[in-house]
Amino acid sequence: SQQGEEDPQALSIQEGENATMNCSYKTSINNLQWYRQNSGRGLVHLILIRSNEREKHSGRLRVTLDTSKKSSSLLITASRAADTASYFCATDGKGAQKLVFGQGTRLTINP
Amino acid sequence: SAVISQKPSRDICQRGTSLTIQCQVDSQVTMMFWYRQQPGQSLTLIATANQGSEATYESGFVIDKFPISRPNLTFSTLTVSNMSPEDSSIYLCSVESQGIETQYFGPGTRLLVL
Repeated sequence: SQQGEEDPQALSIQEGENATMNCSYKTSINNLQWYRQNSGRGLVHLILIRSNEREKHSGRLRVTLDTSKKSSSLLITASRAADTASYFCATDGKGAQKLVFGQGTRLTINP
Repeated sequence: SAVISQKPSRDICQRGTSLTIQCQVDSQVTMMFWYRQQPGQSLTLIATANQGSEATYESGFVIDKFPISRPNLTFSTLTVSNMSPEDSSIYLCSVESQGIETQYFGPGTRLLVL
């Protein structure tokens, strides 16, 4: 299966600190996307990184992609209480039009 | 990005009954998908809803249990048939437009089966 794995499964940090989440996948991809989910609600799209890109920034978010290691990381800088959520990576495989999701990281920001 | 709504937002149902979930998009989209998220788990794709033809189901999901309709480019329904407590999940629709790689998700339908 192409399903990705994320680590850590859960992360708890103090407000203001940086949070790093990692995602690994198994097959070649077209792109990798990161989503946020608050309290079992819908998914909010955060950022997309294509297979030919190595790093991408969006506000306080920084995403890296290493296709040789089949891994990606999401860094949230200067975390806020509102960042408390589950974060999922999803890969769009070559030849496939569907997303395959990782298991997710539950991030808790303590005030 | 497209604005996606789902109805109902949540429901509590008795085992053996069926529930139809609606997904409405404010613009025409190429692809529509249905996902299931079991409690504490990640998302699993149920099927791709094809406009004007039968849905394409993923391994482990069948049309008799999860019939899907997509009569046009902005609307789709997913029915969860003959429900059991194991069907208690969040069901999410998502959409993708031609030339846009990002998939956008609806707010989800939280289903509890007693």
